[in-house]
Amino acid sequence: AQSVTQLGSHVSVSEGALVLLRCNYSSSVPPYLFWYVQYPNQGLQLLLKYTSAATLVKGINGFEAEFKKSETSFHLTKPSAHMSDAAEYFCAVSSMDTGRRALTFGSGTRLQVQP
Amino acid sequence: GAVVSQHPSWVICKSGTSVKIECRSLDFQATTMFWYRQFPKQSLMLMATSNEGSKATYEQGVEKDKFLINHASLTLSTLTVTSAHPEDSSFYICSAPGLANTGELFFGEGSRLTVL
Repeated sequence: AQSVTQLGSHVSVSEGALVLLRCNYSSSVPPYLFWYVQYPNQGLQLLLKYTSAATLVKGINGFEAEFKKSETSFHLTKPSAHMSDAAEYFCAVSSMDTGRRALTFGSGTRLQVQP
Repeated sequence: GAVVSQHPSWVICKSGTSVKIECRSLDFQATTMFWYRQFPKQSLMLMATSNEGSKATYEQGVEKDKFLINHASLTLSTLTVTSAHPEDSSFYICSAPGLANTGELFFGEGSRLTVL
């Protein structure tokens, strides 16, 4: 079974500072990994995905994530935070290789950006 | 990209009534859709997998008689919360896999249910 752990339910950074949101996964098969962003009372928007190609994945809004198999990690980073980045971020793992296409989500990290 | 739309976005109902939430894939066909439930400030929990033309598959602990799922066409899945009670109040989000088979899910806008 797949699972995702997001360390830190809340992260606060200053505008212009580095953003680092942590995600570790557990998977019995090679994982497909995703980061989604959720704004209040809205659905989820895909930021980026890892599907066994390049280990450094670039996404929208300046975000990127690096897949590290040895560390079973898929941390999300952005060099310079913007006020509009304040939202809830979810890391997710796909069970596609097991034939089950639902995503399993981490507990989420709320990002606050201070002016 | 693939677009998934939910309706209604907000619904308030009285305890004991039933509420139907629709999930539509607007520009693609979806033989499978997933229904998630999200409690305040929590993650998304998979409730069930909706399969076009067949019965839904429910996750352990989800009452299938309480949460009726129908997937009558390739672009529409519905979730009906029957005899709703205040503890059913939550944010319900549907999603569908795209055609590219990359594992990505496309999410609807979500539906906030408040049961009085």
